[in-house]
Amino acid sequence: SQTIHQWPATLVQPVGSPLSLECTVEGTSNPNLYWYRQAAGRGLQLLFYSVGIGQISSEVPQNLSASRPQDRQFILSSKKLLLSDSGFYLCAWSVRAGHTEAFFGQGTRLTVV
Amino acid sequence: AQKVTQAQTEISVVEKEDVTLDCVYETRDTTYYLFWYKQPPSGELVFLIRRNSFDEQNEISGRYSWNFQKSTSSFNFTITASQVVDSAVYFCALSDSITSGTYKYIFGTGTRLKVLA
Repeated sequence: SQTIHQWPATLVQPVGSPLSLECTVEGTSNPNLYWYRQAAGRGLQLLFYSVGIGQISSEVPQNLSASRPQDRQFILSSKKLLLSDSGFYLCAWSVRAGHTEAFFGQGTRLTVV
Repeated sequence: AQKVTQAQTEISVVEKEDVTLDCVYETRDTTYYLFWYKQPPSGELVFLIRRNSFDEQNEISGRYSWNFQKSTSSFNFTITASQVVDSAVYFCALSDSITSGTYKYIFGTGTRLKVLA
């Protein structure tokens, strides 16, 4: 069966520090991968999606970047965090072909102080 | 533009009451999918249902039921005889075609359901 792992679960980082959140998927190959952010009390905003290794599409210009160095690995990064980067970050995957649902990781709660 | 609207920000009900969560969507696609997810306090999004645009049959799964009406662009979710464990944030989502075989998911802002004992 397929599983998605996301870590760390919580993170407190000072303003101006770098960020690296990692997500890996097991049990499937060639998935679509997504990074979403959920600000406190708000909906889910799509940040990045990827349809293959090295292929990244950005939905919202911001202080963050994403990379997909391997088929089932998706990384969210920042060189210098801002206070506004605080939020709940969710990684998700879906099957490449056809309409299917997305499956989400357990999320990372990031607090920038 | 693709859009999902969940006008109810928060709903409180007493246990055993029925409750309906509303979802209205906008899409340019003729073929699309709609989804409902549950987000318990732990934060992880749990998939509940997927419905395609060609199937307007209502669906029932235990205490959960879904009413899809293309004419009003709505996909509402009803919980019958609510329980405290149903307390969560519920998200409605819409698929948005990027390329053939690739989709992204547009989410509503969610409805927080509180079921009181």
